[in-house]
Amino acid sequence: DAGITQSPRHKVTETGTPVTLRCHQTENHRYMYWYRQDPGHGLRLIHYSYGVKDTDKGEVSDGYSVSRSKTEDFLLTLESATSSQTSVYFCAISDSGNTEAFFGQGTRLTVV
Amino acid sequence: AQKVTQAQTEISVVEKEDVTLDCVYETRDTTYYLFWYKQPPSGELVFLIRRNSFDEQNEISGRYSWNFQKSTSSFNFTITASQVVDSAVYFCALISSGGFKTIFGAGTRLFVKA
Repeated sequence: DAGITQSPRHKVTETGTPVTLRCHQTENHRYMYWYRQDPGHGLRLIHYSYGVKDTDKGEVSDGYSVSRSKTEDFLLTLESATSSQTSVYFCAISDSGNTEAFFGQGTRLTVV
Repeated sequence: AQKVTQAQTEISVVEKEDVTLDCVYETRDTTYYLFWYKQPPSGELVFLIRRNSFDEQNEISGRYSWNFQKSTSSFNFTITASQVVDSAVYFCALISSGGFKTIFGAGTRLFVKA
């Protein structure tokens, strides 16, 4: 199994608070991604990174920011959590921009 | 615009039946990559297959087979002699040339009853 770990696995937070989710990989893959999964929508890309300090927006990036200061870590921050950000968040890695992705276990985030 | 459509939201079959999951994609690029992923009830996402746009050869892996037809922009997935362990949500996905962004379909939830 690809070495990819998400933390925390579950989190409940209050509306308006900042939240940071962490993705850690041991595969030295160049590309890292954050997705959210909601019923009826499949997985939607929030942000991705193609190298240290190189990041770009996905299709649902509003309200989220990311940082990648090391190859192995990709952080997703909800600047001011809203109930619409209640979701399951998946981190993924790939060694090339067009190869298969390996996913973390997911983080279930509930904003109350 | 790029898009992946999985028109079947849920499918229910009895064990040992064959089942086909449909995937239709849209892209203007001539180079692209198609994928299938499986998400069992435990929640993790598992890669099943990758196919590039220049390789229309069908593939078989055990009970799984994939039919790629560029003429109809489809990449369908068939499970032969389904088993209860095949119960999962299956996602079809697309990466166009230039890479990076994977577009996922909404998924098809497969129930296999004993």
